[in-house]
Amino acid sequence: KQEVTQIPAALSVPEGENLVLNCSFTDSAIYNLQWFRQDPGKGLTSLLLIQSSQREQTSGRLNASLDKSSGRSTLYIAASQPGDSATYLCAVEPSGGKLIFGQGTELSVKP
Amino acid sequence: DTAVSQTPKYLVTQMGNDKSIKCEQNLGHDTMYWYKQDSKKFLKIMFSYNNKELIINETVPNRFSPKSPDKAHLNLHINSLELGDSAVYFCASSPRAGGEEKLFFGSGTQLSVL
Repeated sequence: KQEVTQIPAALSVPEGENLVLNCSFTDSAIYNLQWFRQDPGKGLTSLLLIQSSQREQTSGRLNASLDKSSGRSTLYIAASQPGDSATYLCAVEPSGGKLIFGQGTELSVKP
Repeated sequence: DTAVSQTPKYLVTQMGNDKSIKCEQNLGHDTMYWYKQDSKKFLKIMFSYNNKELIINETVPNRFSPKSPDKAHLNLHINSLELGDSAVYFCASSPRAGGEEKLFFGSGTQLSVL
């Protein structure tokens, strides 16, 4: 049974710091891995999608890596800003259309 | 011109009632989903439809009945509501089912059963 774990559960950093969020999964048979952002009272926004054959994806200040063999992914956020404060969710897709989510990392970036 | 819209945003109701949540996407996607986020923020898939056909049903009580009148709409009807049904329900869509596509989520419906 696929399980997704995110560490840490919460993180507070001063503005400008670079930071890394971690995600691990128990079964390497996945189609892809996605990182989402969730703001309070709102839906999820997909940030990055890494196909199983890829090692990383980048978008602006965000970089996500995927190591399928070890069951790990990281989301790197460069030069963090208060506007980055949100909950970040990692999800793997073990079969068509079904995402298994981690419980998220709640990030707070202090001005 | 919201991509995935669901209504209502908030729903407060008594135990035993029947209620519906509606979802519409204007992205031209083939696949739509319902996810449930519990009080611990854990998100879990409930159903998925591809071109109006049910493709995923994740051991959800049969009090929950999804209906897809066309591929742009996926509604969720819940009978005999229970306290444990209180959660945030998210609708989502993707171009097709699986493998290569990002999911687009609605803003959620917060259901409170009293």
